[in-house]
Amino acid sequence: GAGVSQSPSNKVTEKGKDVELRCDPISGHTALYWYRQRLGQGLEFLIYFQGNSAPDKSGLPSDRFSAERTGESVSTLTIQRTQQEDSAVYLCASSRGQGPGTQYFGPGTRLTVL
Amino acid sequence: DQQVKQNSPSLSVQEGRISILNCDYTNSMFDYFLWYKKYPAEGPTFLISISSIKDKNEDGRFTVFLNKSAKHLSLHIVPSQPGDSAVYFCAATTSGTYKYIFGTGTRLKVLA
Repeated sequence: GAGVSQSPSNKVTEKGKDVELRCDPISGHTALYWYRQRLGQGLEFLIYFQGNSAPDKSGLPSDRFSAERTGESVSTLTIQRTQQEDSAVYLCASSRGQGPGTQYFGPGTRLTVL
Repeated sequence: DQQVKQNSPSLSVQEGRISILNCDYTNSMFDYFLWYKKYPAEGPTFLISISSIKDKNEDGRFTVFLNKSAKHLSLHIVPSQPGDSAVYFCAATTSGTYKYIFGTGTRLKVLA
C-alpha cells in the first residue's frame, strides 16, 4: 500500500521567502507529526495532529512556522520569511492513533535557505 | 536538555560480527522505546520496540535490551550485514502521550 509521501523532495529558497511543505499520510492514520532534522542533529518535534482535536503546536520554534491539516488527510507546513537556520530536512510521520505505537515516516523535504 | 542520548555518533563493524548500538535516557516516565533505521534520502523506518515491562525483545537478527535501573537500552544486530549500514535512532515515549523524543542517531557502517 502507499506510504507517507511528502513534496517537494527538495526546496531551495532565498532568505525572506515563504515556503509550503506538503505531507500525505497513510490512509486511515488519524495521527500526523511534523519533525525537523538539522544537520547532525536528532529529530526535533514540531507539531502533532490527532483527528479533529486541537493540534499540539508546542514544538514550533517561532511564529513564522504554522501547520494545517484537513480532517485526517493532507497536512501543510508553512514557514514564513525563511531564515538560514530553517535549513533542515522536514519529516512527516503518521500513525494509527495515539501512542505508543509505530510511526511511519515520509522521505522528508530537504529545505535549503540561501 | 537532551532526554535521549546516543553518545556514539558512528560505529564500524565487520560483516558477520555483532553490532551494539547504545542509548541512554534521563526521564523515568518513559515506558516505551523504539529503534528506527534511516538510509540516506529516506525517512526513518521502524525496526523494533520494547515496553518497560520487558527487558528484552527479539526480532530475527535484532534484539533490544532495556535496563531500567540504568536508564539504558541497546540494540544488538547479529550477524551484521552490509545492508545494515544506516543511521539508527532510538526514541522514547510515555504511554498515553504522543510525544516521541529521539536521540541524535548513530551511523553504523558494516564492512564487507
